[in-house]
Formats: sequence, structure tokens, C-alpha cells
Amino acid sequence: AQSVTQLGSHVSVSEGALVLLRCNYSSSVPPYLFWYVQYPNQGLQLLLKYTSAATLVKGINGFEAEFKKSETSFHLTKPSAHMSDAAEYFCAVSEFGNEKLTFGTGTRLTIIP
Amino acid sequence: DSGVTQTPKHLITATGQRVTLRCSPRSGDLSVYWYQQSLDQGLQFLIQYYNGEERAKGNILERFSAQQFPDLHSELNLSSLELGDSALYFCASSVARRRGSDTGELFFGEGSRLTVL
Repeated sequence: AQSVTQLGSHVSVSEGALVLLRCNYSSSVPPYLFWYVQYPNQGLQLLLKYTSAATLVKGINGFEAEFKKSETSFHLTKPSAHMSDAAEYFCAVSEFGNEKLTFGTGTRLTIIP
Repeated sequence: DSGVTQTPKHLITATGQRVTLRCSPRSGDLSVYWYQQSLDQGLQFLIQYYNGEERAKGNILERFSAQQFPDLHSELNLSSLELGDSALYFCASSVARRRGSDTGELFFGEGSRLTVL
């Protein structure tokens, strides 16, 4: 069965600092991996996705993530945090042909002015 | 705007009651998914429909049911409501155009917030 683990339910960084949100996955077949962002009172929005092409994936709003098979990780990074990045971030996994998307428990990102 | 429309946005009801949540997927999307988001359970997959047929089932209670209509909109019916059913219910639709080709890229609506008193 597929699953993801997000380390740290809350992360705080200063404005301008590096953002690093951690995600580890478990999958019996090569996975598809995603990061979604949820702003307050809104639905989830896709940030980026890995679907077995390039291991370094660039997304919207300056975010990127690197798929590391040896570490079963898909950590999300952004070089310089902006106040508008404050939101909840969800890592998710699916397997081709298995339409169910399994989400992690989420990481709430707070940006300190 | 994701293109997925959910109604109502907010709903307050009493225990034991029944409610219906409605979802219109993005134009052309054949798959509809329902997720429940609560503080203690996080985001839980409930059920998926593909072109009118049930495709996958997750942690959906027997008191809950769903269907997808010929025009592809979907409804989630919640009955005999309990306090613990209070949550945000999301509908999402998929870009997949062929059965079995979903990759998990979903477009989410803004959710229906259900409060059971």
C-alpha cells in the first residue's frame, strides 16, 4: 500500500530564509508524487508533481522538489520564503492505474517577518 | 479558480439529520473524488466515481453514499449525522481522459464545511 510521511506538522522560517518541508514515501511500484498547498479557507492547489521524468521538479511560486529513490524522499524547498507562502502543505502519492491519491498529514508553514 | 464547484460552502445541521453535498467537476473531467478533511483524521479519501460508475472506495462510512449523474456532477449524501462528521468535505476532479490513466493530479473545489451540532 502506498503512503507518505511528512516530518514536522509545523515549520516556521524567517522571511527570506530557506524553506524545507520533508516528505518520505512508501510505494510498492514507482510512484507519482505531488505537493499540494492549501491556503486558509481554500481548496488544495497543485504545487508540483513527479511522474518519473526529471528527478528535480520545479513548481509554481518558486518551489521545487527532488525525487530521491535511494532515500524514498520527495522534499519540498524554496530558496527564499515570502510572507505569502504561509499555508498548509500536503505531500501525496499515487500509483499509475490506481487512481486513489494518498495524502500526508500536512505541514503548516509559518513565515516570520 | 480550479473549475470545480461545490455547494453549499457552509452547512450547519443537527445530529441525526441527513445532508447532501453537491459537486460539479471541471468541464470534460470524467473522474470525481470525495475527500474528508478533519483536524484529527487529516485528509481522508472517501470515494471515486468515473463516468458514472464507482471506481474506488476509501474510508467511507456506511451512513455515507455518493453517486455521479449522467451530466457528471456528483452528490455525497451523509445521513444519521454525528458530531464527529463535522469536517470539510472536498470534491476533486481528475485530468484523466481514459479509465486507469489517472496520475493523481487532482483539481479541488473549495470544499463544503459541515458543522453538526
